[in-house]
Amino acid sequence: EDQVTQSPEALRLQEGESSSLNCSYTVSGLRGLFWYRQDPGKGPEFLFTLYSAGEEKEKERLKATLTKKESFLHITAPKPEDSATYLCAVHGSSNTGKLIFGQGTTLQVKP
Amino acid sequence: NAGVTQTPKFQVLKTGQSMTLQCAQDMNHEYMSWYRQDPGMGLRLIHYSVGAGITDQGEVPNGYNVSRSTTEDFPLRLLSAAPSQTSVYFCASSYMGNTEAFFGQGTRLTVV
Repeated sequence: EDQVTQSPEALRLQEGESSSLNCSYTVSGLRGLFWYRQDPGKGPEFLFTLYSAGEEKEKERLKATLTKKESFLHITAPKPEDSATYLCAVHGSSNTGKLIFGQGTTLQVKP
Repeated sequence: NAGVTQTPKFQVLKTGQSMTLQCAQDMNHEYMSWYRQDPGMGLRLIHYSVGAGITDQGEVPNGYNVSRSTTEDFPLRLLSAAPSQTSVYFCASSYMGNTEAFFGQGTRLTVV
């Protein structure tokens, strides 16, 4: 069964304190791994797509990496505006646009 | 481009009532999906469509119907609302089956 697990559930950082969020996945044939950001009361906002092990993507203070079993979202020198819930999702083996989501990591960055 | 538009944003229903949640996208995407988001449960797939006239069930389809008569629209129908359907509903669309999905702003539904 395709499955996505994110850790930790919640993370509190001081402004400037770098850290990483983890996304472990089990899928029979990975067709893409996605990171989203979700602010309270809003829909998920797309951040990154990763398709193969070893791939990396960067955007401002965020960097996403992918191995055969997990993905990391590295946050370098975070700011309070980076506070949000970060969601990880995978496409399974079927080409249907179906996404399997993890539970998310809620990040709070204090000034 | 407006992206993915959902209406209404908020809705309160009585048990047993029916309603339709609207979803429209202007990106000419073939793939569209409905998810519900509950505390501690993450986003779960209700129904999805790979093109006009083609729909299929996701993980939690019971109590919901969908149809896809046009590429742009993918409405979600609640047949007889139950308190267990209290949730936040998100519609999403993607260009291909393995590309990023774009989400609407959500509909917060309360069934009393």
